[in-house]
Amino acid sequence: ETGVTQTPRHLVMGMTNKKSLKCEQHLGHNAMYWYKQSAKKPLELMFVYSLEERVENNSVPSRFSPECPNSSHLFLHLHTLQPEDSALYLCASSQGWRGNGDDEQFFGPGTRLTVL
Amino acid sequence: LAKTTQPISMDSYEGQEVNITCSHNNIATNDYITWYQQFPSQGPRFIIQGYKTKVTNEVASLFIPADRKSSTLSLPRVSLSDTAVYYCLVGNTGGGNKLTFGTGTQLKVEL
Repeated sequence: ETGVTQTPRHLVMGMTNKKSLKCEQHLGHNAMYWYKQSAKKPLELMFVYSLEERVENNSVPSRFSPECPNSSHLFLHLHTLQPEDSALYLCASSQGWRGNGDDEQFFGPGTRLTVL
Repeated sequence: LAKTTQPISMDSYEGQEVNITCSHNNIATNDYITWYQQFPSQGPRFIIQGYKTKVTNEVASLFIPADRKSSTLSLPRVSLSDTAVYYCLVGNTGGGNKLTFGTGTQLKVEL
């Protein structure tokens, strides 16, 4: 256990559905991240939150909407997704507040998303 | 933006030393180099981090030459349980948008 939990672990949704992914860290960290991992592709950084404020949005389509209500929780709201959005979505946290990769990131187990 | 390049796969046998090299020709002055390990259906796990020269911890060593355009992760005496994907990450103090993971190296360890 890394101290970062993600729910659900698996999700199947249609293109017209709205769903949310949840991440919770129990480590007292200050920065949280959303990554997308598609088959045979590098990990892609989607969003970074530091001290509950979004510090980076790597040109992610608006059908992905992050929310960070407090330093322990991070959500990824999904709506009108496309089949190519099917991937493993990973959440991570780090102690450092800069969210720049200097600090060790602790990853959750991921949510396997399938869009039909 | 520091792009990283790694070998796609490597094979080894138990007890051998494995060296995985990552190229990052455009690394910036403030970039750190971090390596992660990932098993199937799990998130990546931190192995080691360095800025220059050599760093060693209980599981691995990281060698970074003076020009810092590459780095080598060294795993001593690998075992079957080291079979995983290894990622090189280059990031800097300038902000999260410059976090760049490599494509990863699939290491397969056999008896």
